[in-house]
Amino acid sequence: QKEVEQNSGPLSVPEGAIASLNCTYSDRVSQSFFWYRQYSGKSPELIMSIYSNGDKEDGRFTAQLNKASQYVSLLIRDSQPSDSATYLCAAEGSARQLTFGSGTQLTVLP
Amino acid sequence: GAGVSQTPSNKVTEKGKYVELRCDPISGHTALYWYRQSLGQGPEFLIYFQGTGAADDSGLPNDRFFAVRPEGSVSTLKIQRTERGDSAVYLCASSSGPGSYGYTFGSGTRLTVV
Repeated sequence: QKEVEQNSGPLSVPEGAIASLNCTYSDRVSQSFFWYRQYSGKSPELIMSIYSNGDKEDGRFTAQLNKASQYVSLLIRDSQPSDSATYLCAAEGSARQLTFGSGTQLTVLP
Repeated sequence: GAGVSQTPSNKVTEKGKYVELRCDPISGHTALYWYRQSLGQGPEFLIYFQGTGAADDSGLPNDRFFAVRPEGSVSTLKIQRTERGDSAVYLCASSSGPGSYGYTFGSGTRLTVV
């Protein structure tokens, strides 16, 4: 069973703080990883992809990947109330399908 | 169209009935994926098309579920003899090639079986 595990939260941070979201995966074949943001009642929206060990930065978002530890994380700097959503971690399998975690609910408090 | 279009947006059906869910991918996208998302869970893979053929249907839960993509564009997910446990949001995504360099999801079809 290929699994992606996330802390379901909820995670609350004050506005302006750094939000840290974590994810582990079980399938060592996975090479590509993704973070999706999902607002309540909406479909998931891709915000970050990462394929290589290390950090990848895009604006206020930084994704981190450690394949040896099978660990992926997402940092959101200067968190805003509009960042309040559920964040889904996904790993791409050998057959190109994505395996998603159950998501972490983030609330940014004004 | 500009994005992935799914119809209907909502579907309520009685237990035992047959339903069809439609997905119209982004123009030119050869890869098309169906996922199912239950409340409080992440999307669960159902089936992947590359062109007209189902490249991977390992996620279909049982033989009541079937999907087609006859012309390599629009896809239809078909569910026979619906059960209350089929209630979920059915999401469609497309990408420009095999492999997910970023799926673009449609807005989904919320299926409720009563």
